[in-house]
Amino acid sequence: EAGVTQFPSHSVIEKGQTVTLRCDPISGHDNLYWYRRVMGKEIKFLLHFVKESKQDESGMPNNRFLAERTGGTYSTLKVQPAELEDSGVYFCASSLAGLRGQSYTFGSGTRLTVV
Amino acid sequence: AQSVAQPEDQVNVAEGNPLTVKCTYSVSGNPYLFWYVQYPNRGLQFLLKYITGDNLVKGSYGFEAEFNKSQTSFHLKKPSALVSDSALYFCAVRPGGYNKLIFGAGTRLAVHP
Repeated sequence: EAGVTQFPSHSVIEKGQTVTLRCDPISGHDNLYWYRRVMGKEIKFLLHFVKESKQDESGMPNNRFLAERTGGTYSTLKVQPAELEDSGVYFCASSLAGLRGQSYTFGSGTRLTVV
Repeated sequence: AQSVAQPEDQVNVAEGNPLTVKCTYSVSGNPYLFWYVQYPNRGLQFLLKYITGDNLVKGSYGFEAEFNKSQTSFHLKKPSALVSDSALYFCAVRPGGYNKLIFGAGTRLAVHP
């Protein structure tokens, strides 16, 4: 089966611009997650979709970040306007429905650089 | 606060020697524990997980991890390191009742020929 696909793989934008990251989960995976790793620190949870609904968005840093998952398939994460501290690697992951024993499959990540 | 600690930024080991990458955690409930690896310019790749049962879990590429509930640890081990094991390793924990992962900061493993 195809894995979790993210694009672009790299993005360099200027402070104040807008960037949209995309994630295509594994087909049939209801759960979709966004994480990011900033400046070599730990990978931090941003939010969790179950199908098209936001189940948990407690990790979203501020209202410059907007995530959507139209139709419960692919998801986008928009940063508007981007700030320098938004630079990092943004990972998407997906998993099957249910909690017990599930594994999370991660994408290759999008490396965002804000200059 | 719930957290995962990987106390070593980098672990250096000679090829053929055993390796250990340490992980301790502080989370609520009965957690599920994971190890992921990131090779250069690649995404996070699943290595192994502990859900319940035998404390010694075997995973991909000859890696294993031992769950120690009393010490709240989940150290990653391999009996004989390969140069190709050189990568960034992340320990992650899913606290009981939650559906998200808490990651450690990562440990860079360098295996020298």
